[in-house]
Amino acid sequence: EVLLVQSGAEVKKPGESLEISCQGSGYSFPTSWIAWVRQMPGKGLECMGIIFPADSDTRYSPSFEGQVTISADKSISTAYLQWTSLKASDTAIYYCARSGFSDHGLDVWGQGTTVTVSS
Amino acid sequence: QSVLTQPPSVSAAPGQNVIITCSGSVSNIGSHYVSWYQQLPGTAPKVLIYENKKRPTGIPGRFSGSKSGTSATLGITGLQTGDEAEYYCGTRDNSLSGVIFGGGTKVTVL
Repeated sequence: EVLLVQSGAEVKKPGESLEISCQGSGYSFPTSWIAWVRQMPGKGLECMGIIFPADSDTRYSPSFEGQVTISADKSISTAYLQWTSLKASDTAIYYCARSGFSDHGLDVWGQGTTVTVSS
Repeated sequence: QSVLTQPPSVSAAPGQNVIITCSGSVSNIGSHYVSWYQQLPGTAPKVLIYENKKRPTGIPGRFSGSKSGTSATLGITGLQTGDEAEYYCGTRDNSLSGVIFGGGTKVTVL
């Protein structure tokens, strides 16, 4: 079974750093793009960026360039999303998803990681 | 504001049919395959349709997709209460990285 398992919920204060993870199993992790998708409370889906774990080729959506860092460690089949200084507006659910279909159709999704940033 | 435009909501009685539209441009829908996702309340999205009209294993035939020019549609026939969810279209764009999504359409079963 193809699975993406994400790290658990986080509660942080503004200005703190954070890294959340997404571990794949049941398929060749390095050779499929992984997307990170943000969903703010009561809002729609936004793709933050994508990474190809085999060579860590990373593409950011314009709104998220410079705001987060996407990385991957193919040796442990894990992708990461990192912030150096969180803001209250980063409060959201973050999903990772595998690009398994043409034109980045996302066929497998992680369960989501809830990040709450509050003083 | 999303690059892809969807109606905010549609509603129908059980057993009826609904169509959700997704409007884009030449640089996205006009040039790339479209996928459709269902997000039930409190859960992660799930793909219903990929490559415009294909259904993954396990997705009922009540769900169908089509694309014409710069627009795509998701059809749901025989609406069920379990279909109450948010539905999103997604594709690529020639000038953007990653995936772009529509704003989402909430389907309500009356």
